[in-house]
This record gives sequence, C-alpha cells and structure tokens, in this order.
Amino acid sequence: GAVVSQHPSWVICKSGTSVKIECRSLDFQATTMFWYRQFPKQSLMLMATSNEGSKATYEQGVEKDKFLINHASLTLSTLTVTSAHPEDSSFYICSAPGLANEQFFGPGTRLTVL
Amino acid sequence: DAKTTQPPSMDCAEGRAANLPCNHSTISGNEYVYWYRQIHSQGPQYIIHGLKNNETNEMASLIITEDRKSSTLILPHATLRDTAVYYCIVRPGGGADGLTFGKGTHLIIQP
Repeated sequence: GAVVSQHPSWVICKSGTSVKIECRSLDFQATTMFWYRQFPKQSLMLMATSNEGSKATYEQGVEKDKFLINHASLTLSTLTVTSAHPEDSSFYICSAPGLANEQFFGPGTRLTVL
Repeated sequence: DAKTTQPPSMDCAEGRAANLPCNHSTISGNEYVYWYRQIHSQGPQYIIHGLKNNETNEMASLIITEDRKSSTLILPHATLRDTAVYYCIVRPGGGADGLTFGKGTHLIIQP
C-alpha cells in the first residue's frame, strides 16, 4: 500500500508555544489529506480536510485559528497547533486517500503540552 | 455514511481464524464496506474493502452477505501481532470525505 509519513513522531512543548506537524505522502500525490486527533481510550476524530492550493475545511467545533493547516504541495500538508495548552495534548494522525478511496494513515504524532 | 455495529471486544487463539462481524443494515447501494485496524499507539492501517462480492488479499478476507446488511472480516491464521482495534466503516466508493470512526472491535489474540 501507499506510504504516509509524519514528523515528528512525538513532541513535548511548553504551554503557549506553537507546534508544527508534517504529513507527507511518500510514493503518491494527494490533493486532499485529512487530519484526525485521538484522545486516550477514544476513537479517532476527524478535525479537518486539507486541500492542496485552497483553504482547509474544518469539522464543527474545531477552531481554525488554533489549528492552522497548510497544504503547500501535492505531497505535504502541515498542521500547526498555535498557542498550545495542556488540553491540546493528543495523538494527531493524518491520512491521504488512495485510488479506491481507501485511506492511508501516517504513524501519528504524540503531542504533550506541559 | 451508513451506521455500523460491531462487538466491543473479541478473543481468538493464536493460529486460529479470527472472524470479526459488522452489521450495516442501512447500507446504500453505492456504499462500500471498508475495514481498518489500529494497533496500540500507531496510525490506523487499511485492510480491505468490498461492495458486494467477497474479497481476499494478503491480509484478510471480506465476506459480505447477499443482502449486504452485514459482513465478516476474516483473519485466516491470527498471530499476536493482529491484536488491535478493528473498524468497519461504510461509505461511498467515490466519496472524498474523511472517515467517521465508531468504537470498533478490540480483538485480542491469546497465545
């Protein structure tokens, strides 16, 4: 299957700082990518759809000014958590669709905000 | 997307076939059945999908009932590494939306 990478795999930051997470499709192009977050013992929750060359679309309840998404190329989407607080600590995962609309997921980024 | 119902947990002995059921009684004609799994602390992994015919790949087999209201994912020879949460998701094949995850089935492979 297609490969999606994420960087970093984990990050610890101080409250009030911003953190950028990268999602790359390694062997295919993706005009659309998706960002999810997962709190402990819960399922993944879709946060937003990242669209190459246009604005991201956010799910209800997700603050677009706090979670900045940039899809600068056909293989890279970035999620920046601005002014992070402890409640933003979570497992952030991206995905990109394949030709059969199956989703290929990155390995995830664990964010801990102190 | 149609709603799915899965048992919260299942046990299976190592080396045996693991059969994971999924009910999707409100599935529409253009909706496919997709299966994913998430091993602890990793991103989900795509397993298999199908519309109405049974499907098989190197990871698993997917059996869809004739009325398409339920399906079964079969891992033919389960190993300890198959311990994971398995998600059954129904959605249109041509849809470009993100996924809605339910609670899935926590499959535990026993040695």
